[in-house]
Amino acid sequence: QKEVEQDPGPLSVPEGAIVSLNCTYSNSAFQYFMWYRQYSRKGPELLMYTYSSGNKEDGRFTAQVDKSSKYISLFIRDSQPSDSATYLCAAYGNKLVFGAGTILRVKS
Amino acid sequence: GAVVSQHPSWVICKSGTSVKIECRSLDFQATTMFWYRQFPKQSLMLMATSNEGSKATYEQGVEKDKFLINHASLTLSTLTVTSAHPEDSSFYICSVDGPQLGYGYTFGSGTRLTVV
Repeated sequence: QKEVEQDPGPLSVPEGAIVSLNCTYSNSAFQYFMWYRQYSRKGPELLMYTYSSGNKEDGRFTAQVDKSSKYISLFIRDSQPSDSATYLCAAYGNKLVFGAGTILRVKS
Repeated sequence: GAVVSQHPSWVICKSGTSVKIECRSLDFQATTMFWYRQFPKQSLMLMATSNEGSKATYEQGVEKDKFLINHASLTLSTLTVTSAHPEDSSFYICSVDGPQLGYGYTFGSGTRLTVV
């Protein structure tokens, strides 16, 4: 079993839709949780990180962590074509572990 | 956040040759840098942790004699792929961490290596 599981998609939505991206993890030692955005042939760009359980909001992006269910979510409101990318969840205990990444396509 | 520069962004080399990839932290001193490998449509896999002034720590299954890491200064780490083979073709990405970054690692733009 992978430490961080993520559905690779692709996920295709119309412009303006609310996007929900999700991951699960198995290691209870993980304390920090991140979401990265990666465009094709580029390095990952940090979008958000949270510590332990709770919500964090930044503009159109909201990250949620539920440690009781080991569930990580990223919501994107009013999605734009420029949001089309691969979204990687990651968790940190003593090293950073990535999910497989979900390919998101926002159609105009 | 930090600014990380990675060079080259793309390289093709012949099988059996060696290739060096540079990772520079442009605006702060990075005592620790990380090297990842990403195969197409797969996630990032940590290869090694590069520590300034000391030997790198390699993840299980990564050949340290094949992937030579040197972190000679607080702003530069290099990854050398020695005797490259086609199966080494991949996307290599570095990242940096420092106290002021917390756990939000900053990544370089990546290097696409193609071995022919």
